[in-house]
Order: sequence, then C-alpha cells, then structure tokens
Amino acid sequence: EIVLTQSPGTLSLSPGERATLSCRASQSISSSYLAWYQQKPGQAPRLLIHGASSRATGVPDRFSGSGSGTDFTLTISRLEPEDFAVYYCQQETFGQGTKVEIK
Amino acid sequence: EVQLVESGGGLIQPGGSLGLSCAASGFPFSSYAMSWVRQAPGKGLEWVSTISGSGGSTYYTNSVKGRFTISRDNSKNTLYLQMNSLRAEDSAVYYCAKRRLRLGELSLDFWGQGTLVTVSS
Repeated sequence: EIVLTQSPGTLSLSPGERATLSCRASQSISSSYLAWYQQKPGQAPRLLIHGASSRATGVPDRFSGSGSGTDFTLTISRLEPEDFAVYYCQQETFGQGTKVEIK
Repeated sequence: EVQLVESGGGLIQPGGSLGLSCAASGFPFSSYAMSWVRQAPGKGLEWVSTISGSGGSTYYTNSVKGRFTISRDNSKNTLYLQMNSLRAEDSAVYYCAKRRLRLGELSLDFWGQGTLVTVSS
C-alpha cells in the first residue's frame, strides 16, 4: 500500500502570502493518480487538483499543482481569506493533511 | 446536478452491524466507480473502499477487510456499505464520493454531506 506523507503539518501564513505544500509518496506513482483536496470545518472535501497539475472545475488559478514520481507540490500563489483550510493529497489513500492557518 | 445523499449512520455498540446507503443522482451512476471515505472526529481523511461501475471489482483498506462489504444497485442508483464487527475506531463521518473519470484516474469530484457512525457502549 502506498503511503503519502504531507509536510508541513501546519503552515502559518498571512493573506497575500504564497503557500507551498508538499506530498511525498512511499513509491513512485503515476501523475495521473495524484489529486489534492481542500476541506473546511464541517464541510465535505472539495477536489482542487487532479492528474497532479490540472485544476478541477471552478478552482481559481491561484491554485497550482506540480510534481512527478514521488514528490508533488500544491502551491497557492496568493492566499485569500477563504483559502485557510486543511489540504490533503490523495492517490487512493490520503496523506495526513496540511493545515494552512492564519498567522 | 450531481447529488450524493448518505443515510444510515447512528450509534451502535461494539461488535454490532450497520448498513450505510448513498443515493446518487444527476449522472450515469453505473458508469462510474464509487468510494467510501471516512473521517474520525478531529482526524484526517481515510479511504475505506471502492467499487467499480459494474460492481464486479471491489477494494478495501486493510483495517476493514473481512468486516465491511461495499456493493451497489445500479437499478436504484444506490451505493451501500455493510459494516460488521464494528469497533470504536470505526467511529467517523462516512462520505460517499464519485470518481471524476470512468477510467485512468483516482480523483473524487463529488462528495456527499456524510453520515456519522458512532461505535460505543
């Protein structure tokens, strides 16, 4: 079973700053299989990125995904107030999540 | 509009059984694999199980193998999760979710609102 490890566990940033979230797989995976989700308290997860780098429908272009093999990155270019949430990477299993909190 | 509505959650004693349902609408249900994902209180997301569009292939995380059974009724556009021998660690919100593509990807583009399962005496 592939294990996804996300870092950091928590990211403390201010609105307008850039956020860089990492997801490392325990073995090489196809980029087609890597997705990123956003989850806010009390809500179901929302698909942000599929195929490692393709934005889902309606996702703002400040969100971007990159990477291949075992190392993948989600970047939020300029944080908006609504972006403070928990982010998960997923292949079939999920990473443990990165919380992006207001500094 | 795609809709996924889970039901069947509740309070159950350890060792008991519970069945969850997910009613789907707004897309050709039989064409898409479906998954159950759970989230324990204050914890992260955990993939539980996936079933192919036809129902012929099923997959489970190790911790539920032999205890949980995923199934679907394509004539009723409904996904199921039968949970037996429940443990305290199975307590979670259970989400059903739809695969984005029919083949070639594992991402989940639509999610239900979740149903809470609490295993406690």
